[in-house]
Amino acid sequence: EPEVTQTPSHQVTQMGQEVILRCVPISNHLYFYWYRQILGQKVEFLVSFYNNEISEKSEIFDDQFSVERPDGSNFTLKIRSTKLEDSAMYFCASSEDWWGDTQYFGPGTRLTVL
Amino acid sequence: QQQVKQSPQSLIVQKGGISIINCAYENTAFDYFPWYQQFPGKGPALLIAIRPDVSEKKEGRFTISFNKSAKQFSLHIMDSQPGDSATYFCAASGKTSGSRLTFGEGTQLTVNP
Repeated sequence: EPEVTQTPSHQVTQMGQEVILRCVPISNHLYFYWYRQILGQKVEFLVSFYNNEISEKSEIFDDQFSVERPDGSNFTLKIRSTKLEDSAMYFCASSEDWWGDTQYFGPGTRLTVL
Repeated sequence: QQQVKQSPQSLIVQKGGISIINCAYENTAFDYFPWYQQFPGKGPALLIAIRPDVSEKKEGRFTISFNKSAKQFSLHIMDSQPGDSATYFCAASGKTSGSRLTFGEGTQLTVNP
């Protein structure tokens, strides 16, 4: 069964450093998402991406964040200057269609900012 | 307006029992309500979903009950098994709010053997 993959599984970085989290969505999916989950809290939407541009973003997704689809298979989330509060599990998701379609989540990248 | 409230925070059920998790929403524009199951170290996985044109949807041991007027929906797990032990999240989205899923706070379910 097709699945969303994410690398790395765990990323440790120093505060102020840039990190890039990588995702390979399911191949025939057109809509891509990033969510995050701070330990013990609920999953929060960050951004959605379609047709090589951001469709919508949450208030969490400020200028420190950016997303890119550098090629036909990868989807990345960049955090330019990490803060302690960026420590969380970051999930990539993809869906074949837009609203109301199943979003398939990857296993996540645990980001630890020291 | 965009929140989804979920209860209880944790739930302990005996094997064979019924697990019930409740969610309430505020945004009347929400019209897609999925439930996700998450095991430790894994991403959320869709369990079952409902749209407001029906009041109930059943898939195997899992049933969603939906009350549009009360803006509430619930997940029932019949004949709960130890393998059902996981965190369950309700979520919602709507055409006017785009494709983003708004998640509830999650329920940690433990099914004792």
